[in-house]
Amino acid sequence: QVQLEESGPGLVEPSETLSLTCSVSDYSITDGYFWGWIRQPPGKGLEWIGSIHYSGSTYYNPSLRSRVSISRDTSKNQFSLKVTSVTAADTAVYYCATVSYYLDSGNRYYYMDVWGKGTTVTVSS
Amino acid sequence: DIQMTQSPSSLSASVGDRVTITCRASQNVGNDVNWYQQKPGKVPKLLIYGAFSLQSGVPSRFSGSRSGTDFILTISSLQPEDFATYYCQQTYSAPRSITFGQGTRLDIK
Repeated sequence: QVQLEESGPGLVEPSETLSLTCSVSDYSITDGYFWGWIRQPPGKGLEWIGSIHYSGSTYYNPSLRSRVSISRDTSKNQFSLKVTSVTAADTAVYYCATVSYYLDSGNRYYYMDVWGKGTTVTVSS
Repeated sequence: DIQMTQSPSSLSASVGDRVTITCRASQNVGNDVNWYQQKPGKVPKLLIYGAFSLQSGVPSRFSGSRSGTDFILTISSLQPEDFATYYCQQTYSAPRSITFGQGTRLDIK
């Protein structure tokens, strides 16, 4: 069973760049799946940030696209998230997750079935 | 963007009750809707995918259904461990875009 673990600074100053890494175990990120980032502000709901395909293609939430980038380090079997120009509104628990899919009658159905434990990031000076 | 609107936002129920939570999509999303359960301080857990399919290991008291652009999560007989927040998610526009509903908090009456 694939396992994911987020890591990175827990405190980021306003206007700086938030950087997180998701380390993947028991599965190569180049073998399959999409690999996603999701966040959850305190007391609020879930927000998809973006995903990276095992081929390296990236997809971003349109509302965050101008500030977000997702990359990967295949030698370390990790993928990473950067959010630039952060504000207090970027304070959240950040999760990484597998975005799996299956085929049925020619249609592809996506779902997030394995999640990391999450890491809390606070934006504050 | 596709919006997912859940109702109710919160719900109080008793052990043994039958509970339904609805998620309305702003446009056709086919059967590309998933349901997640999240307990306080815990990671979201996939319950239902493809609108109807029960994720492995999830109790059969959970089920998903669809009526047009309305998607329903039903818990047939509430158990103490089911009190949590539930989120729907559309993946019709994936991988370009994925959106969650705002969540439904299910409390003990």
